[in-house]
Amino acid sequence: GENVEQHPSTLSVQEGDSAVIKCTYSDSASNYFPWYKQELGKRPQLIIDIRSNVGEKKDQRIAVTLNKTAKHFSLHITETQPEDSAVYFCALHSGGGGNKLTFGTGTQLKVEL
Amino acid sequence: GAVVSQHPSWVICKSGTSVKIECRSLDFQATTMFWYRQFPKQSLMLMATSNEGSKATYEQGVEKDKFLINHASLTLSTLTVTSAHPEDSSFYICSARVRDTQYFGPGTRLTVL
Repeated sequence: GENVEQHPSTLSVQEGDSAVIKCTYSDSASNYFPWYKQELGKRPQLIIDIRSNVGEKKDQRIAVTLNKTAKHFSLHITETQPEDSAVYFCALHSGGGGNKLTFGTGTQLKVEL
Repeated sequence: GAVVSQHPSWVICKSGTSVKIECRSLDFQATTMFWYRQFPKQSLMLMATSNEGSKATYEQGVEKDKFLINHASLTLSTLTVTSAHPEDSSFYICSARVRDTQYFGPGTRLTVL
């Protein structure tokens, strides 16, 4: 199946700094790329997504960029706050995959005061 | 909108017993739901795709006779862990699909003694 590599596995930033998480994939047919935030013991929550016909999407402090040629997409969080601390997962699905999502391995983000 | 509930939120059972977990879409109809398993500090691993009115599609390595899935209506899918053993202890999460997007339930913490 599709393989998604996510880096870094842990990320510690100071409050107010930016955080960037990157995912790479191999299947050029992948066409939908969501990002989920999961707090400890809670459900994953969709925070932003992007489709393959768009290069960048922004929603307040969160943005996602997609480079189809290089097959990678990144999550950017600006002006980080302590409540941004959580595990972030990238995911993707390919059009022919029955809408199954393949998840990255996750990034533990810690925003320190 | 797009709220998914799961019941129970946690369950403790003895080895050899069966446990049923329910996943409901509360404000929309879901022809497709997904069941995931998540071990501590790991990513979400897709177990099976639940299709309303038809048999579930299981991922490689997931025993369909052990993890019984029933999707009897457009708002309810159930996962039954049969003859549970301690190694089945995990966080089980369902999701329901709305177009490309998957919305997750709050998860069920299963502990098998």
